[in-house]
Amino acid sequence: EAQVTQNPRYLITVTGKKLTVTCSQNMNHEYMSWYRQDPGLGLRQIYYSMNVEVTDKGDVPEGYKVSRKEKRNFPLILESPSPNQTSLYFCASSQAGFVEKLFFGSGTQLSVL
Amino acid sequence: EDQVTQSPEALRLQEGESSSLNCSYTVSGLRGLFWYRQDPGKGPEFLFTLYSAGEEKEKERLKATLTKKESFLHITAPKPEDSATYLCAVQATGGFKTIFGAGTRLFVKA
Repeated sequence: EAQVTQNPRYLITVTGKKLTVTCSQNMNHEYMSWYRQDPGLGLRQIYYSMNVEVTDKGDVPEGYKVSRKEKRNFPLILESPSPNQTSLYFCASSQAGFVEKLFFGSGTQLSVL
Repeated sequence: EDQVTQSPEALRLQEGESSSLNCSYTVSGLRGLFWYRQDPGKGPEFLFTLYSAGEEKEKERLKATLTKKESFLHITAPKPEDSATYLCAVQATGGFKTIFGAGTRLFVKA
């Protein structure tokens, strides 16, 4: 089954404790992206990747890191999480970046205390 | 600055009561406009892509239309299972970002 898999589904952590949210897709998609969703603000793009070893900032990249060492994986790293990073996070992928529909994972609900 | 605004924030309908959701956008150049459906606790699911003004697409009770400044998602004779949040998004020329609106929460009562 074609899918985007995120882990974990729920995560509670404390300020400053490094964490990684994993994302993997099995569709051989070139384009992958991370979004955060906050009430009233909608989905905001954090980082995206056009292909292996190619990443670029979205609209809200501060406090986040990403890497794309393999085509299927695109982990999101929070080196020193803060409470304002409490949010619902989605990973998405598409065949290519140009006007292609996005396939989304099920989301990761992160709470930073 | 590229921007997407959706209205209303929430819409309550009776089953069978047709209505429309609005998506207004401001972009330097439109590469494509997308509609997604999001159910509680799940990621958004793709519905439509529209590329140019005048274009229309249909899927079951949903019909999406596009003008130079806005898009409408028309829902004909909705059913309770159409209850969800509907998201509009645009991709502008000259970049690879997809910019989302805040969404419209639709509630359809039987």
